[in-house]
Amino acid sequence: DTAVSQTPKYLVTQMGNDKSIKCEQNLGHDTMYWYKQDSKKFLKIMFSYNNKELIINETVPNRFSPKSPDKAHLNLHINSLELGDSAVYFCASSQDARSTYEQYFGPGTRLTVT
Amino acid sequence: GDSVTQMEGPVTLSEEAFLTINCTYTATGYPSLFWYVQYPGEGLQLLLKATKADDKGSNKGFEATYRKETTSFHLEKGSVQVSDSAVYFCALSVNTGGFKTIFGAGTRLFVKA
Repeated sequence: DTAVSQTPKYLVTQMGNDKSIKCEQNLGHDTMYWYKQDSKKFLKIMFSYNNKELIINETVPNRFSPKSPDKAHLNLHINSLELGDSAVYFCASSQDARSTYEQYFGPGTRLTVT
Repeated sequence: GDSVTQMEGPVTLSEEAFLTINCTYTATGYPSLFWYVQYPGEGLQLLLKATKADDKGSNKGFEATYRKETTSFHLEKGSVQVSDSAVYFCALSVNTGGFKTIFGAGTRLFVKA
């Protein structure tokens, strides 16, 4: 009965590889997000989808490509991984895109690029 | 642009001490304000929120009041416990043509027994 789930929890890979992280929410929410948290705990929005439509696309290298097959799922694909991509990636969801609604976070995926 | 500034950590307190973590914001429009908490190895979870001026959010003994005149949303707790050790994030969310939530840098709290 996990509200927001992510797989995998840990991902260790080499530079130049391509990898994907999957996210699913069972809360019936319309809006989903990807965040990147660096080693100093700073949290930065990357993308947001509302009902499968991209609504936020921050300045992120185009090696990162989100995909939302339906409103319960938001996946993140990363091409040509670099050392600087090492971080914890969090998926989140909210009821909709209005500012009064809080976000529900997944447990995070720790990506280590060697 | 919109931003959140919170006090740098780490903050180290003894059990039963009083906690204040300062948070100030800059925003166009009328933001909603949030405190999230992140326990070790976990994702963020909402601690409390306030959606308009003078609202007080409260949960698990934590409180914060939305002060529009000082653009602040300071987090307080009267008596902290070891289990409160975590990273605390202040955040704002505002619709101004686009929509996003902006998080502060986080404040790590250590509570000693």
